[in-house]
Amino acid sequence: DIQMTQSPSSLSASVGDRVTITCRASQNIRGYLNWYQQKPGRAPKLLISAASGLQDGVPSRFSGSGSGTGFTLTISSLQPEDFATYYCQQSYATPQTFGQGTRLEIK
Amino acid sequence: QVQLQESGPGLVKPSQTLSLTCTVSGDSITSGGYYWSWIRQHPVRGLEWIGYIYYTGSTFHNPSLQSRIDISIDTSKNQFSLEVRSVTAADTALYYCARTYAGNSGYDSWGQGTLVVVSS
Repeated sequence: DIQMTQSPSSLSASVGDRVTITCRASQNIRGYLNWYQQKPGRAPKLLISAASGLQDGVPSRFSGSGSGTGFTLTISSLQPEDFATYYCQQSYATPQTFGQGTRLEIK
Repeated sequence: QVQLQESGPGLVKPSQTLSLTCTVSGDSITSGGYYWSWIRQHPVRGLEWIGYIYYTGSTFHNPSLQSRIDISIDTSKNQFSLEVRSVTAADTALYYCARTYAGNSGYDSWGQGTLVVVSS
């Protein structure tokens, strides 16, 4: 199975901060990397697909980049509604796998 | 806009079979290109991909579960289903159904999730 490793596992930040979350794959997954946001009691919400494709309705402060084994999710200016847990997921090969999550908390 | 809704028992006894159904509304389950999926979330182990099915009946399962699971589809009811046999406490999780395009895109639509507890 392809292992997905996110860092950091948790992060404290303030409204207005720029935040970057990293996801590393244990082997080359080309650009088949997706990012999700999950809030308590809710299903994950797809933010970015194919490493950098912003989903309709997702604010432009979210961006993704990377290819191969290294990827990043950046939030350019944190808003109160962005405090949540973020997951990466590879869709290059089955079984598809997820990162362990990054919990973004208010400082 | 497509909506997915899981249904099934919230409590299953050890060694028995867990059965869940996902009802799709707002779109046909035979819409070309979409794979209909099951994903579960454990409190500690995180998100785990179970498998998915195409409307033709082609399925892809997680090898870690493959011998115990079946995913099926009923196009007449616009539903797909999951069975997990011989459950243990390790199968206790929040189970989601979700949709992905081409089987290799992100999951753009999810059900709200249903908690299944395995306990006697």
